[in-house]
Amino acid sequence: DQQVKQNSPSLSVQEGRISILNCDYTNSMFDYFLWYKKYPAEGPTFLISISSIKDKNEDGRFTVFLNKSAKHLSLHIVPSQPGDSAVYFCAASEVDSNYQLIWGAGTKLIIKP
Amino acid sequence: NAGVTQTPKFQVLKTGQSMTLQCAQDMNHNSMYWYRQDPGMGLRLIYYSASEGTTDKGEVPNGYNVSRLNKREFSLRLESAAPSQTSVYFCASSEAGTASYNEQFFGPGTRLTVL
Repeated sequence: DQQVKQNSPSLSVQEGRISILNCDYTNSMFDYFLWYKKYPAEGPTFLISISSIKDKNEDGRFTVFLNKSAKHLSLHIVPSQPGDSAVYFCAASEVDSNYQLIWGAGTKLIIKP
Repeated sequence: NAGVTQTPKFQVLKTGQSMTLQCAQDMNHNSMYWYRQDPGMGLRLIYYSASEGTTDKGEVPNGYNVSRLNKREFSLRLESAAPSQTSVYFCASSEAGTASYNEQFFGPGTRLTVL
């Protein structure tokens, strides 16, 4: 049973527009959420995170929104740039999880020029 | 700084062969992790080491063993490889050992094929 779900395997967005990547989770004990970005033949790199005590965190062009009642988070990229084309993973952890991150399957974002 | 390095980058094994995947980090991190990534799935934790001298099982430890050789190095061993272990393996490290701060830094991965 997947505890973290990214239901869109891929997303195509025009350069300059907003990209919205979604993530749903089932475990109400998750208290920390992270987004990672992955280019082909490279390991994932940390992008942005949010604690469950917040509903929004912003870092430059990247904003993560958390809706705890819906068990849903989203990553907004504005404006989208060609270099944003990558696979984006959502991950979550819970208190006393012994440092384990639970990962979604990823969404491949394609930015069209 | 090289960050997290992994060797080898690619490996092909026959069923039943053994091998060790090497990982090293130069960021003085306490915690290190081994993941596998299969097509259409997220990363799954195989083993982790919260600090030097400790190792613990993750979600999918069967068929693997690990050694935290020192603070820098964390190796993953397949004693008798099986086709189900065909995957991309990632090593990662993190500075803090608490679930609330879990920014992990990843190596480039090892693509392993077991025939």
